[in-house]
Amino acid sequence: KQEVTQIPAALSVPEGENLVLNCSFTDSAIYNLQWFRQDPGKGLTSLLLIQSSQREQTSGRLNASLDKSSGRSTLYIAASQPGDSATYLCAVSLSGGSNYKLTFGKGTLLTVNP
Amino acid sequence: DTGVSQDPRHKITKRGQNVTFRCDPISEHNRLYWYRQTLGQGPEFLTYFQNEAQLEKSRLLSDRFSAERPKGSFSTLEIQRTEQGDSAMYLCASTPRAGSELETQYFGPGTRLLVL
Repeated sequence: KQEVTQIPAALSVPEGENLVLNCSFTDSAIYNLQWFRQDPGKGLTSLLLIQSSQREQTSGRLNASLDKSSGRSTLYIAASQPGDSATYLCAVSLSGGSNYKLTFGKGTLLTVNP
Repeated sequence: DTGVSQDPRHKITKRGQNVTFRCDPISEHNRLYWYRQTLGQGPEFLTYFQNEAQLEKSRLLSDRFSAERPKGSFSTLEIQRTEQGDSAMYLCASTPRAGSELETQYFGPGTRLLVL
């Protein structure tokens, strides 16, 4: 059974700081890995999707890396802003017939202080 | 707004009552998913539709839960004889087509259920 762990559970940083969120998964036979953002009481917004054959993806100030063999991914946020405050969720799908089914971590609650 | 929509956004009910939630996916998305998220946890997969066919149900979906997508467009999730443990956010997501590593799931705002 795939298990996804996110560290740290919560992180508080001053505005402008660069930061890294970590995600690990137990089964390396993944189809893809996604990072989502969730604001309090709201749904999820997809930030980045990394295919199993890729090593990283970038979007603006966000960069996500994937090391499938070690079962790890990181989300790097550059020059953090108060508007980045949210919960960040990592999710993986397994290769094979159920590649549509996402397994999520519990998330990292990020607070960026002005 | 052309995103995934869910109705209602909030529902408070008494234990033992039945509730029904609706999800309208993005137009022409043929895959639809339901997830449940409890406080402090990530979403957990419940069920998946491709067009009108329900292709997988998680063991989390007990006999009290039923989901339908009768015309391959909107979907409903019904919970019968609600229990306090059913209190959660119910999230719906959709994707445009099968078989692409590039597809991402587009999530709705969720329905927050509180069972008293």
